[in-house]
Amino acid sequence: NAGVTQTPKFQVLKTGQSMTLQCAQDMNHEYMSWYRQDPGMGLRLIHYSVGAGITDQGEVPNGYNVSRSTTEDFPLRLLSAAPSQTSVYFCASSRPGQGAINTEAFFGQGTRLTVV
Amino acid sequence: AQTVTQSQPEMSVQEAETVTLSCTYDTSESDYYLFWYKQPPSRQMILVIRQEAYKQQNATENRFSVNFQKAAKSFSLKISDSQLGDAAMYFCAYRSSRRGGSQGNLIFGKGTKLSVKP
Repeated sequence: NAGVTQTPKFQVLKTGQSMTLQCAQDMNHEYMSWYRQDPGMGLRLIHYSVGAGITDQGEVPNGYNVSRSTTEDFPLRLLSAAPSQTSVYFCASSRPGQGAINTEAFFGQGTRLTVV
Repeated sequence: AQTVTQSQPEMSVQEAETVTLSCTYDTSESDYYLFWYKQPPSRQMILVIRQEAYKQQNATENRFSVNFQKAAKSFSLKISDSQLGDAAMYFCAYRSSRRGGSQGNLIFGKGTKLSVKP
């Protein structure tokens, strides 16, 4: 049971380079989201999706793009990396509904991205 | 908008002792979910305990328990018989119980780094 798979685990980019962080889940979850974690800031929402073809911005969306062509995949694109995007990135998925148990969020292992 | 506040950036506890991590939140909703996540050095986000706001009974999971005070909007985590493996970053998180839109997303506090002394 793979759960949520994020790749890569580590990445170093030069300023101005582009890259895509991959996220895939095999639980048929409708909700998927991307967070970034910075020291002293907790996890902040970048973008989220409530289903295939539907995405929306979170708290810190600038500099990132997403798309959701399938239920399983939710890639995060950095179009022109900046040092301010140095962070740890997490993908999460969950199903809609009621109850904290039924709608538990599952997280990927995280990606540590450094932009130099 | 909902907010979550963890006022203790760092805490320390002696092995086998008990420690309480604080969390307060702000919301105008009456039904919601609260969570504590543990993040060890491996970076993995591990769900420790969950609480549904409509339940008055405090959640417990083995050595972990919460003190949920809905009126005070407080959700503290108590770790009993602390172990070396409990050393980690702990995040308090809020999620709306409503479906649709951004309601399915988690709102996190800034975290508390817990150290356990042998």
